[in-house]
Amino acid sequence: EAGVAQSPRYKIIEKRQSVAFWCNPISGHATLYWYQQILGQGPKLLIQFQNNGVVDDSQLPKDRFSAERLKGVDSTLKIQPAKLEDSAVYLCASSRDPTGELFFGEGSRLTVL
Amino acid sequence: QQPVQSPQAVILREGEDAVINCSSSKALYSVHWYRQKHGEAPVFLMILLKGGEQKGHEKISASFNEKKQQSSLYLTASQLSYSGTYFCGTVSTSGTYKYIFGTGTRLKVLA
Repeated sequence: EAGVAQSPRYKIIEKRQSVAFWCNPISGHATLYWYQQILGQGPKLLIQFQNNGVVDDSQLPKDRFSAERLKGVDSTLKIQPAKLEDSAVYLCASSRDPTGELFFGEGSRLTVL
Repeated sequence: QQPVQSPQAVILREGEDAVINCSSSKALYSVHWYRQKHGEAPVFLMILLKGGEQKGHEKISASFNEKKQQSSLYLTASQLSYSGTYFCGTVSTSGTYKYIFGTGTRLKVLA
């Protein structure tokens, strides 16, 4: 069974530029999560999808971050414009259902200069 | 809102035991435990669903007190490979099944 795929692995941009991250979950997993992990801290939930609907996006900075999960499969997280404090690893995870084990991708490391 | 873990950090010698606690302010449906090594994604260890349930995974076990909204992870006879940061992941019963992680506990096992 293929794991969660994420790209790109690394991205360096200047502040005020935009960036997009892509995630393809494990086949059949209905729930998809985007987390932001700043060095030394725990993963912070940005958005949680159930199929193509949003379960929670209360901590997503909606003035600059957006995410979509078209057709309930893969997902894209966009940041526009980026700020220095957005430097972090963006983790995508999926699970069969909202109560099950999370499977993580390798993460996308963003550096904003 | 984020579950609080204690201790924040612990250093052990090989063979010693440790307990990591996770406490939530919300009623919980389940608690999951993960270990994350530097530069890697979190790796699932175990899930606990019922009040008072205890599970084991090699020399790592955990308990979940549903009434107190607390879970504890027990590391027995620690090995060098246990080093990393441990996170509890919680699913609350408040409708949306939002999945959030605890504050984390850094564990270092020394030879």
